[in-house]
Amino acid sequence: DAGVIQSPRHEVTEMGQEVTLRCKPISGHDYLFWYRQTMMRGLELLIYFNNNVPIDDSGMPEDRFSAKMPNASFSTLKIQPSEPRDSAVYFCASSLYRADEQFFGPGTRLTVL
Amino acid sequence: AQTVTQSQPEMSVQEAETVTLSCTYDTSESDYYLFWYKQPPSRQMILVIRQEAYKQQNATENRFSVNFQKAAKSFSLKISDSQLGDAAMYFCAYSEDSNYQLIWGAGTKLIIKP
Repeated sequence: DAGVIQSPRHEVTEMGQEVTLRCKPISGHDYLFWYRQTMMRGLELLIYFNNNVPIDDSGMPEDRFSAKMPNASFSTLKIQPSEPRDSAVYFCASSLYRADEQFFGPGTRLTVL
Repeated sequence: AQTVTQSQPEMSVQEAETVTLSCTYDTSESDYYLFWYKQPPSRQMILVIRQEAYKQQNATENRFSVNFQKAAKSFSLKISDSQLGDAAMYFCAYSEDSNYQLIWGAGTKLIIKP
């Protein structure tokens, strides 16, 4: 298996633009997690899915953030409109069981100018 | 609430020597999981080692081993024969069946001196 795949690896955009981050989890994993990592706040869980259904989005910072998982092999995290304070590394992770080890993608480094 | 504490923001070790990274946690649960993740400069988060709380035996993965002290709520990571490629941020994390969240420590930056 190729592991968790994320695209793009780097994204530079201007304030106000829409940003879409993509994730392909490991095949067979029932859980998918979106994280944000910054120096100030460390790793923050934004949202997680179980069998394509969003279970808890309490970590999503604002209504500008939305996430979808239309099928078991694809998820998106969208920011619209983007702001400079959204600049961070965004990770997608998947796991077989809820409390088990999570396998992380390489992350997307987002810079909002 | 569960918390994970890594008291060493930064550690350095000479190549080929042994280093121990500390992690303590707070929980009232008896069954849970503990993890050490490594994040090198490439920023990829990589699982180093995993421990299930009900197992008495300390987990080992090649040069990496843990000292799991359940009563003391301590979960330290020992790296033997340190290599330059071990240089990274190391995060301790906790999870339990009743809560999907991984609770993360603040991380320890490990520097390997050649």
